[in-house]
Amino acid sequence: GAGVSQSPSNKVTEKGKDVELRCDPISGHTALYWYRQSLGQGLEFLIYFQGNSAPDKSGLPSDRFSAERTGGSVSTLTIQRTQQEDSAVYLCASSLGPGTEYFGPGTRLTVT
Amino acid sequence: AQRVTQPEKLLSVFKGAPVELKCNYSYSGSPELFWYVQYSRQRLQLLLRHISRESIKGFTADLNKGETSFHLKKPFAQEEDSAMYYCALRGSTLGRLYFGRGTQLTVWP
Repeated sequence: GAGVSQSPSNKVTEKGKDVELRCDPISGHTALYWYRQSLGQGLEFLIYFQGNSAPDKSGLPSDRFSAERTGGSVSTLTIQRTQQEDSAVYLCASSLGPGTEYFGPGTRLTVT
Repeated sequence: AQRVTQPEKLLSVFKGAPVELKCNYSYSGSPELFWYVQYSRQRLQLLLRHISRESIKGFTADLNKGETSFHLKKPFAQEEDSAMYYCALRGSTLGRLYFGRGTQLTVWP
C-alpha cells in the first residue's frame, strides 16, 4: 500500500448521531494511533494500539468515544451521540517502531 | 506531567532571513524529541528527531536539557518552508506522542 489511508475524508453529521471513522494502517505496522486536530488545540492524543497488548485509551475524552482494531490491522474510531465540540480532524498514524509514525490524511468531522 | 509548549502560534519572516521556532518541554525522565511539519493540504510528516542529530531541508534542532528546549532553526528561510510545525515529545520508546499546539510559519518573498 501507498501509506496510511482513512475514510471518509469528510463527514458531516447532525448532533446526536453516531459516526464511525476508519483507518487502514501500513501493512505490517504493529502500532496504530488516533489523534484529534482542532484549531488552536494542536494534536490531542486519543488512543494507541500496540500489537496484541491492551490499548492505551487514556486520551479518549469521554465514554462516547471508543475504538477497536480488528486482526491487528484496520481500526475504527466510533463517536456516539456526537456533539459540536467533536468537530475536528481525526488523524490516524501507524508505525513499525518508535519514531517512525506515518500519518494518514485525516477525516474532517463536522457536527452540525 | 509531560508538556510541550510552543509559545508562538504564528511566525512570519522574509525569504533568506533566519528563522527559529521555539519549543520547550517538561518531562521528568529522558524524552525523545521530534519536529513534525504539515504543509498546506498535505499529511503531517516527521521533519527531524533529536537522536538523529541530522539536518533536514536545512533545519536543525538541538536538545538543550538544561533549558528543556528543542528549538528548530534554519539560517536562510525559503518560501517553501511555509507550513505548520509541531514539536512533539515521547516519554518512552513506545507509546504516544505529546504535541505542542503548533507554530504556523509564513515565509514572505
